[in-house]
Amino acid sequence: GQQLNQSPQSMFIQEGEDVSMNCTSSSIFNTWLWYKQDPGEGPVLLIALYKAGELTSNGRLTAQFGITRKDSFLNISASIPSDVGIYFCAGLRIGTDKLIFGTGTRLQVFP
Amino acid sequence: NAGVTQTPKFQVLKTGQSMTLQCAQDMNHEYMSWYRQDPGMGLRLIHYSVGAGITDQGEVPNGYNVSRSTTEDFPLRLLSAAPSQTSVYFCASSNNRGAGNTIYFGEGSWLTVV
Repeated sequence: GQQLNQSPQSMFIQEGEDVSMNCTSSSIFNTWLWYKQDPGEGPVLLIALYKAGELTSNGRLTAQFGITRKDSFLNISASIPSDVGIYFCAGLRIGTDKLIFGTGTRLQVFP
Repeated sequence: NAGVTQTPKFQVLKTGQSMTLQCAQDMNHEYMSWYRQDPGMGLRLIHYSVGAGITDQGEVPNGYNVSRSTTEDFPLRLLSAAPSQTSVYFCASSNNRGAGNTIYFGEGSWLTVV
């Protein structure tokens, strides 16, 4: 089945550093979503994007909807230990009801 | 995870056994879906429903059945469990056909097939 290409697969960073991750697809999406999943729990929505070029922030998190509609980016500034988890992008294709998830980026933050 | 309840949380099955994962939401959402999550694979869509009486296949539907007799409930059935169905299963619901900031996930069901 189709999945979005998400990179990097994992990141090991020091507290205070900035983080960038991205998601790409060969298909056009009309909605991009970014989720965070903590161990043993379901994904929790962080940011939703609805327009090409849109840049949206949620605290230290900033996400962008790529101009081509085929990619999206998530940045986390000044990382803290509670940022640890798996981050997923998800896209909704035009004309479908199916939400497609990326493969995830596992983030580890060291004090 | 508000409003989406999944049961059971953990289950061990023998190959060939059948079982049903229950999912209920009390938010009057039209859209409900089931995903499975495997290591390194992210979440993959199994089946989804855009309203009572309507279901459709996702990316990985084989081996699973669903029904949507009410708006609130969307059970996932494994008719003859296989080891390949060992996974974590998540139910989700939304009132906006899967888009936007109204998608809620359940806490997950850990299934092991031996």
